[in-house]
Amino acid sequence: DGGITQSPKYLFRKEGQNVTLSCEQNLNHDAMYWYRQDPGQGLRLIYYSQIVNDFQKGDIAEGYSVSREKKESFPLTVTSAQKNPTAFYLCASSDTGRETQYFGPGTRLLVL
Amino acid sequence: DAKTTQPTSMDCAEGRAANLPCNHSTISGNEYVYWYRQIHSQGPQYIIHGLKNNETNEMASLIITEDRKSSTLILPHATLRDTAVYYCIVRVREGATSGTYKYIFGTGTRLKVLA
Repeated sequence: DGGITQSPKYLFRKEGQNVTLSCEQNLNHDAMYWYRQDPGQGLRLIYYSQIVNDFQKGDIAEGYSVSREKKESFPLTVTSAQKNPTAFYLCASSDTGRETQYFGPGTRLLVL
Repeated sequence: DAKTTQPTSMDCAEGRAANLPCNHSTISGNEYVYWYRQIHSQGPQYIIHGLKNNETNEMASLIITEDRKSSTLILPHATLRDTAVYYCIVRVREGATSGTYKYIFGTGTRLKVLA
């Protein structure tokens, strides 16, 4: 069953803590993306990666970090420098050359 | 700097066609229009995309005006399960010669299908 998985579905964090969100895909896609969604808003791009060991900042990268050590995995770390981390986080992937992005189910992060 | 404008909300009777408009008057010649929908607290689902020709698939039809400044997504026979937020998105190139593209999301149209 091919697709994109994100875990956990809900995540709670205390202020000042770093937290890592998981994103895994078995679609053999080269490109992966992280978005943030706030209530009633569209998605905003945090980071993206076109190939392994390479990634680029999106529109709202401050306070976030990523790694791309494997083609199928693109974890996102929300650091303590992110002042307003409570949001819905979505991961997506696409096949280079086709460019249609397919999204995972999302992780809702809540800062306590 | 969203490149699309959509109505905030729309209602549609079950079994009727739902026509969702989108304005993208600043779109460039090589930028595609994509449509996704998002059911509450789920990831967006791809529906359809196009450049300048009308497109149809098993989910919907996409009508793009000749000047490409607007488009309409048509769900031919709406059902209650089509209730969702529908996003009209422009795919833009990152830099003049880059092979990297990104989506520019607006705030979407909340479609409610009524029984």
